[in-house]
This record gives sequence, structure tokens and C-alpha cells, in this order.
Amino acid sequence: KAGVTQTPRYLIKTRGQQVTLSCSPISGHRSVSWYQQTPGQGLQFLFEYFSETQRNKGNFPGRFSGRQFSNSRSEMNVSTLELGDSALYLCASSATGTYNEQFFGPGTRLTVL
Amino acid sequence: AQTVTQSQPEMSVQEAETVTLSCTYDTSESDYYLFWYKQPPSRQMILVIRQEAYKQQNATENRFSVNFQKAAKSFSLKISDSQLGDAAMYFCAYRGNAGKSTFGDGTTLTVKP
Repeated sequence: KAGVTQTPRYLIKTRGQQVTLSCSPISGHRSVSWYQQTPGQGLQFLFEYFSETQRNKGNFPGRFSGRQFSNSRSEMNVSTLELGDSALYLCASSATGTYNEQFFGPGTRLTVL
Repeated sequence: AQTVTQSQPEMSVQEAETVTLSCTYDTSESDYYLFWYKQPPSRQMILVIRQEAYKQQNATENRFSVNFQKAAKSFSLKISDSQLGDAAMYFCAYRGNAGKSTFGDGTTLTVKP
């Protein structure tokens, strides 16, 4: 099976712009989670989608949003970018069930100038 | 809310020696899973080992084993016969019945030849 894929791999934006990141889970996986990884804050949970519904949400402002499509692909959107949004954004998919291990994608490195 | 604490930001080990990475967590749930993930430099995060909370037997995967102490809420990872390829950041993660994962801040492991 193909692994989790994320596009684009690298992105440079300026403050105030918006960005959309994409994640394609492993075939058959219905859960997709998003994380923000920064050197100072570690791995912070953004949200999880399961069967097109947001099942869990982390403590991020409303500028961060996401969605999941019927084929389980997920997108994450960040509006009005701030310098502090520069980070590695990781997507992880897991099979049906809340306890399954997550399989991570390579991440999207977002730099906000 | 669940919390995961990795008290060792950095650890080092001599090649072929054994090293133990610490992790403690806090939860009021009785059913949950615990995971150790490995993130090599500039590479994808991968699962190392998983432990079901209802199982008393400690999980083992080749050179990797855990010491799971449910009452103490402790979940340490032991790496035996350390290899240069083990050098990475290691994350301890908790996944509860809501499906949300909580990660520790990570431990950077250096393996000295």
C-alpha cells in the first residue's frame, strides 16, 4: 500500500496570506489527523477527521480549519497567516477505530515571511 | 485532559549499548493505547512500538521493548544493542477513547560510534 502523502512538501508564504495543505491517507484509512510541529512547542494536535466529520479539535484559533472528502483525503487551511505559523505540518492516518496507530506523512514545511 | 511528559530532552548512548527513554502520562481513562514513535532527522515519523493499557505484558519489537507501569502511569522505552540508525527524536504518545492523540515533547537520541 502507498503511504500517507502530503502536498506540497514545501511552501513559502507572506503574512496575511492564506494556505491550503493536502493529505491523502493510506487506502482504507478513514481517520486523518493534523499536527503542527515546531522546535519550541513540539507536536501540537490540530484536528481529526473521520468519515468527513471533525471528531476532535485541538486548541488552535479559528484561522485553522480543515475538511475531509468522501475519499478520505483531507485539506487543512490557514487563513491570515502569521509569522508564528511557520512550522512542519504533519498529517497522520489510521484505520477505523480510535485506538489504531497512526501512520504519518512526510509533512509540509510552511515558512511565513 | 491527558498529558504526556518526556523528562529527557536529550539522551546519548554508545553503539551496542542499552538506553532507556522515559515517559509518564496522566489520564483518568481506563482504556487507552500508548505508542513510541521515531522521527529520524528530516525523515518521516514511524511507529516503533505500541502497548494496550489492558495488557499487563510489556510489548516487545526486536531490540525495542517497553516497561509499562499502569499504576504509576509510566511507559519507558528500552533500546538494546543500539545502532547508529537508532539516532532520532523519539516521541511518546497517548491515544484514548476519543481518538485524540497527545504527544510528549520528544527525546533526541544520539548514538555514538
